[in-house]
Amino acid sequence: RKEVEQDPGPFNVPEGATVAFNCTYSNSASQSFFWYRQDCRKEPKLLMSVYSSGNEDGRFTAQLNRASQYISLLIRDSKLSDSATYLCVAYDYKLSFGAGTTVTVRA
Amino acid sequence: EAQVTQNPRYLITVTGKKLTVTCSQNMNHEYMSWYRQDPGLGLRQIYYSMNVEVTDKGDVPEGYKVSRKEKRNFPLILESPSPNQTSLYFCASSRTSGRAGNEQFFGPGTRLTVL
Repeated sequence: RKEVEQDPGPFNVPEGATVAFNCTYSNSASQSFFWYRQDCRKEPKLLMSVYSSGNEDGRFTAQLNRASQYISLLIRDSKLSDSATYLCVAYDYKLSFGAGTTVTVRA
Repeated sequence: EAQVTQNPRYLITVTGKKLTVTCSQNMNHEYMSWYRQDPGLGLRQIYYSMNVEVTDKGDVPEGYKVSRKEKRNFPLILESPSPNQTSLYFCASSRTSGRAGNEQFFGPGTRLTVL
């Protein structure tokens, strides 16, 4: 079983829409969580950390549900530039990456 | 500019021909690692290094070697490449491997094809 599992998508949404997706993690001892963004097979880059109480960074909101072992990412007012693959990452003395969820924002 | 560089960016080779992919970072990071990325499997760690002369196996180390003789460099060596090592490879560095400071800075990737 993969340590971090994500719906690969793709999620095709129009500009301005809200899109949300989850990932689940199997290691209940995971200490911290992140979302990375990867554009078209380029290098991944940190988008945001995920805090226990949930957190926002502009149009992006991340939530953590430890009881159900999932984290979520919500993108409001989608822009064309949000088209990318979003990687969910869990940390327990090492980083475990999900395979990614692809989001395509259309004009 | 703070960055991680990798070379070559693209490589097509044949089975059994030894190759080295170089990785260098200019951020004075202690922790460096190599990942491979395959469709549907995500990023899998090959090897990592906590500091100079300290390396250890990741999740998929078979067929690979690394060394860390200097803090800034972390080359990946394939002694006898095989077609199942065809993949996209990323080098990454971070300030630490701990809970704080583990943001990964990735190189641009090396697309390797082994025929």
